[in-house]
Amino acid sequence: GENVEQHPSTLSVQEGDSAVIKCTYSDSASNYFPWYKQELGKRPQLIIDIRSNVGEKKDQRIAVTLNKTAKHFSLHITETQPEDSAVYFCAASSNTGNQFYFGTGTSLTVIP
Amino acid sequence: EAGVVQSPRYKIIEKKQPVAFWCNPISGHNTLYWYLQNLGQGPELLIRYENEEAVDDSQLPKDRFSAERLKGVDSTLKIQPAELGDSAVYLCASSSGGTGGETQYFGPGTRLLVL
Repeated sequence: GENVEQHPSTLSVQEGDSAVIKCTYSDSASNYFPWYKQELGKRPQLIIDIRSNVGEKKDQRIAVTLNKTAKHFSLHITETQPEDSAVYFCAASSNTGNQFYFGTGTSLTVIP
Repeated sequence: EAGVVQSPRYKIIEKKQPVAFWCNPISGHNTLYWYLQNLGQGPELLIRYENEEAVDDSQLPKDRFSAERLKGVDSTLKIQPAELGDSAVYLCASSSGGTGGETQYFGPGTRLLVL
């Protein structure tokens, strides 16, 4: 089955700096890659996603890039703000069904 | 549009007791997922339903866990008997299904503490 690895496990940045979280996947058949933000005690919320026919997608301060050849995708947050502090999870979805495989999460702390 | 609804939000039980969680997915979503999330970890799939059929339950500990999704809408997840190691957050999620790659929406979760 699919194996998703996520790095780093923790990340601290100064407010206004950029943050980058990276994930790799093993199954070349995976074709959908969502990113979720989970604040303490809250549900995971989808913040951005990308499909395998696209190399990059941006939404305001958030962007995701996908390298299908290398089987890795990354989340980029620019101009970070304290409210960006949360745990971020990447996931990969198999195109043989609706299965989602999650990374182990990155705890992001934005220091004011 | 209402999101995924779960109840209860919190549950404290003693070990060996039974416990049940309920999930109401987003209206029209055919695919329903139950995940277990331990502190500091990503969600781990327990079972996935396509309508009323359990299509992936390979990670469900069937000796003590059971689930059902009668009529293909609401779902319940049961643990009997609960063990100390079952303490975790149980997340329900739903998606519109299809051929894959559909956005998945999570419920608020049920936080279970087994004493």
